[in-house]
Amino acid sequence: DARVTQTPRHKVTEMGQEVTMRCQPILGHNTVFWYRQTMMQGLELLAYFRNRAPLDDSGMPKDRFSAEMPDATLATLKIQPSEPRDSAVYFCASGLVIGSKSGELFFGEGSRLTVL
Amino acid sequence: AQSVAQPEDQVNVAEGNPLTVKCTYSVSGNPYLFWYVQYPNRGLQFLLKYITGDNLVKGSYGFEAEFNKSQTSFHLKKPSALVSDSALYFCAVRDKEGRRALTFGSGTRLQVQP
Repeated sequence: DARVTQTPRHKVTEMGQEVTMRCQPILGHNTVFWYRQTMMQGLELLAYFRNRAPLDDSGMPKDRFSAEMPDATLATLKIQPSEPRDSAVYFCASGLVIGSKSGELFFGEGSRLTVL
Repeated sequence: AQSVAQPEDQVNVAEGNPLTVKCTYSVSGNPYLFWYVQYPNRGLQFLLKYITGDNLVKGSYGFEAEFNKSQTSFHLKKPSALVSDSALYFCAVRDKEGRRALTFGSGTRLQVQP
């Protein structure tokens, strides 16, 4: 049963520490997304990759956040330094886009980050 | 820019009654439209999508949605609600060219009472 795998599931850290979240997309999918979910803001897009190239990271705070895809099986989201306002659930999702045709996204279970 | 509005924060319905969760959208050109469901402490799960063709789309767990281009709406419906349908529902939109990622609405919490 193919699924998107995210690690860690839970992370508690102190303000100023570096946090790295990892995502293994479904094999064969060519798009990867990072979303952040909070009660106040709902689901916010942080980054969007197609064929490992970043297409849209306009929603990501550039001074402290960075997203990469070192290879097709791994996407990373890094926060350095972390702040309490970064506390949220971070979701990775993957999907298959062929030309203009888009399949549905498959979401991981999320990484719940708490910054003290 | 593309956007989604879900005007109701919460919808309450009695088990066995029909349910409707509302969604309106704004996008350049023709839309791809999606509904997702989120159970507590879980990721979002795909329910159904509209790409083209028949305006009435059938999806998982007995849900369906009707695409209405003139009203720019894509309301989620189910003829008979179950207590287990209680969850958070998200509508999402994307332009067909795929220039941007999915944009999600704010979510509607569905509460089905026994």
